[in-house]
Amino acid sequence: GAVVSQHPSRVICKSGTSVKIECRSLDFQATTMFWYRQFPKQSLMLMATSNEGSKATYEQGVEKDKFLINHASLTLSTLTVTSAHPEDSSFYICSAAPGQETQYFGPGTRLLVL
Amino acid sequence: GQQLNQSPQSMFIQEGEDVSMNCTSSSIFNTWLWYKQDPGEGPVLLIALYKAGELTSNGRLTAQFGITRKDSFLNISASIPSDVGIYFCAGNLNTGTASKLTFGTGTRLQVTL
Repeated sequence: GAVVSQHPSRVICKSGTSVKIECRSLDFQATTMFWYRQFPKQSLMLMATSNEGSKATYEQGVEKDKFLINHASLTLSTLTVTSAHPEDSSFYICSAAPGQETQYFGPGTRLLVL
Repeated sequence: GQQLNQSPQSMFIQEGEDVSMNCTSSSIFNTWLWYKQDPGEGPVLLIALYKAGELTSNGRLTAQFGITRKDSFLNISASIPSDVGIYFCAGNLNTGTASKLTFGTGTRLQVTL
């Protein structure tokens, strides 16, 4: 149980285009999902908290207009990187919380912006 | 953002040896979690601790929630090559709600034959 999937697993795009990443909780409902960003050899940095049916809460320094989050159902949250630039290249990981203290993570999406 | 301090930062050990790593914070946390991350993958939950002083095992792994609620340790007994990876501790301030985690800086473990 507690399986979280992400799609795509990796994506390469041209600078200026937008990329959408999906996060799904496969066997539980998640009222809250989280989006993280991880640079090589570093820890996970929280970008935003996504609550089903409401606006996401962004961490300080994260541009909400650049990283659009939609949590349309209890099993799906999406992160859209708009007008991507090379500095947005990173490993993006989502997690889902089934209403308790524990978070279960997806396998991550590696984004490369050329 | 805030991070928890993990030590050691990295360690090389021989197969069969026991491993110990810890995580400390200047703030109190109500839940401590230990995750393992393999290269190119998302973190996988190893152990969750919910009460101060709690000692929990998961196979060869044992973790304890410090009595002050400001620290936690993770032990791995009889290490094997597949234990290689990065181990992260994470703390949650709130109980019973899906609030955000504060992550440790990570301990990179390498096991030699």
